[in-house]
Amino acid sequence: AQKITQTQPGMFVQEKEAVTLDCTYDTSDPSYGLFWYKQPSSGEMIFLIYQGSYDQQNATEGRYSLNFQKARKSANLVISASQLGDSAMYFCAMRVGGTSYGKLTFGQGTILTVHP
Amino acid sequence: DTGVSQNPRHKITKRGQNVTFRCDPISEHNRLYWYRQTLGQGPEFLTYFQNEAQLEKSRLLSDRFSAERPKGSFSTLEIQRTEQGDSAMYLCASRPDRYGNEKLFFGSGTQLSVL
Repeated sequence: AQKITQTQPGMFVQEKEAVTLDCTYDTSDPSYGLFWYKQPSSGEMIFLIYQGSYDQQNATEGRYSLNFQKARKSANLVISASQLGDSAMYFCAMRVGGTSYGKLTFGQGTILTVHP
Repeated sequence: DTGVSQNPRHKITKRGQNVTFRCDPISEHNRLYWYRQTLGQGPEFLTYFQNEAQLEKSRLLSDRFSAERPKGSFSTLEIQRTEQGDSAMYLCASRPDRYGNEKLFFGSGTQLSVL
């Protein structure tokens, strides 16, 4: 069975600073995808970044980068130059297998608060 | 791109009543997904459709739950004989059926409260 673990219930960061949100995963399938989604108070889940298990380089999307360490089974999200609008819940998620696109297992989330 | 639309945003019902939620995906997306999110937890997969075909259902989806997508466009999720444990946010998501494109577009959800 697959599992996603986010051990930080809450994180605080100063505006313009960088922050790392931790995520570890567990699966025995060699083919998987790792995702980060942001959920503001409005409730809508917003896609941030994706990393495939066979990707050689860490994924980056603007201010977001995914620190993918396969041997450690970790997929930490790094947000550079934090903004007040980054305050939200952040979820790490995983898709296992090559045909289960869209069927994700989510972690419990980390609440990020950005201070001015 | 008008986004994924879910109605109603909030639903309060009494235990034992039936409720139905609607999801309108992005028009060109033929894959549609339902997730359930309880307070303080991440979303959990319930079921998904490719066009009008329901391809997979989670064990979480008991016999009281039924989902349809009759014409491959909008979808409905019905819960019969609601229980207090059904209280949750029900999220709908869609994506195009293109290999390598895994980005899900989520709606804002329907918050169900069962009294």
